[in-house]
Amino acid sequence: EVQLLESGGALVQPGGSLRLSCAASGFTFRLYAMSWVRQAPGKGLEWVSSISAGGDGIDYGDSVKGRFLISKDNSEITLYLQMHGLRAEDTAVYYCVKHGDGNYPNVDFQHWGPGTLVAVSS
Amino acid sequence: DIQLTQSPSTLSASVGDRVAISCRASQTIAAWLAWYQQKPGRAPNLLIYNASNLESGVPSRFSGSGSGTEFTLTISSLQPDDFATYYCQQYKTYWTFGQGTKVEF
Repeated sequence: EVQLLESGGALVQPGGSLRLSCAASGFTFRLYAMSWVRQAPGKGLEWVSSISAGGDGIDYGDSVKGRFLISKDNSEITLYLQMHGLRAEDTAVYYCVKHGDGNYPNVDFQHWGPGTLVAVSS
Repeated sequence: DIQLTQSPSTLSASVGDRVAISCRASQTIAAWLAWYQQKPGRAPNLLIYNASNLESGVPSRFSGSGSGTEFTLTISSLQPDDFATYYCQQYKTYWTFGQGTKVEF
């Protein structure tokens, strides 16, 4: 059974930094692309960032480009999201996502973790 | 950027109803479209991928159709567990979600 468990969410001041982690199990992590998706309170889903299985393909949404960094450690079986320059509008639940089968980037989001809350406020 | 517009935003229905949710893309995306169900306080759950393929374990009352720019998610007979918010998503160019359709009683 695929399991994804996010951690690292916290209350942080504007301009601060935070690193989210996603521990994966139940599948061969090195063979799958992964993503982060966020959802602000009461709002819809917003794609944040994606990384290909081997890490050679990386993409960011416009709202986080230049501030967030995605990485994938295939030896530790963990996905990361390093966030810098956090803003109030980054407040959201952040979901770790495993892509389905297929060729990156044309792949759906097959499995989701339960999410971790990031709150940016002074 | 590819935009997705869902309609309606809210849908009032009853158990046993046939329900259809529309998703329109701002440019052609072939069949690179998925549908997700989300319940309050929970992560989304994949229902349909590649426009019409039913994800394993998803009840057969859910179906997807369409290609190009027009897509539809259909629930053939609405069940109590189906009251939720539904999102379409394109993965032709990056990834974009529709704004969501809330199916309520």
